[in-house]
Amino acid sequence: GAVVSQHPSRVICKSGTSVKIECRSLDFQATTMFWYRQFPKQSLMLMATSNEGSKATYEQGVEKDKFLINHASLTLSTLTVTSAHPEDSSFYICSALPGTYEQYFGPGTRLTVT
Amino acid sequence: KNEVEQSPQNLTAQEGEFITINCSYSVGISALHWLQQHPGGGIVSLFMLSSGKKKHGRLIATINIQEKHSSLHITASHPRDSAVYICAVIPSDKLIFGTGTRLQVFP
Repeated sequence: GAVVSQHPSRVICKSGTSVKIECRSLDFQATTMFWYRQFPKQSLMLMATSNEGSKATYEQGVEKDKFLINHASLTLSTLTVTSAHPEDSSFYICSALPGTYEQYFGPGTRLTVT
Repeated sequence: KNEVEQSPQNLTAQEGEFITINCSYSVGISALHWLQQHPGGGIVSLFMLSSGKKKHGRLIATINIQEKHSSLHITASHPRDSAVYICAVIPSDKLIFGTGTRLQVFP
C-alpha cells in the first residue's frame, strides 16, 4: 500500500527556534498534501492544504507566517514552525492525496517546545 | 452540532466481543474513511467506502448514504484492537473528522 513518511518523529526545541518537519510520499506522487495538528485526546485539525508548485491554502485561524509550508516536489512537503512557543507543542500529521479521494497518513511528529 | 458525530465516545470490551462503532454525518459526501489511531499517534486508514459494505479480516464497515450513517464492526475483538477509531467524511477534497471512539479491549 501507499506509504507516507514523516521526519523527525519526535523533536524537542527551545522557545524561539524554528523546526522543520518533512512529509514524503515514498511510492507515489502526491499533488496535494495536508497538514494537521492534534492536541491530546482531540480530533485532528486541518491546518493547511499544500499543493505542489503553488502556495499553500491555510485554514482560518492558522498563521501562515508562523507555519511555513513548502511543497517543492510531488513527493515532499515541509512544515516549518517558526519562532516556536510552548503552545505550539502538539502532534503534527501530514497526509498525501495521490489524486483520488483516499488520503494516506504519515506517522506523525511530536513537537515539544520548552 | 458537529458535522460528523461518532458514538460511543468511549468503549470497553472483553476480548472476543463483537464491537460496533457508529458514525452519523450531516453533509453530502463522496466517500467516508474509517481510521485507526494507536497510542503512539500514527494513523492507519482502515477503509474508504462510498456505498455498501467492505470487509478486511475481522473488520467490517458499512455505509448507508441515504441515512448518512456508517458503522464499523470488529468481530472477535482482541486487546491489540485497542485504539481510537475515527470516522472522517469527504464532502470535497478535505476530510471532516469525527471526534473519535476510544476502544479498550481487555483480555
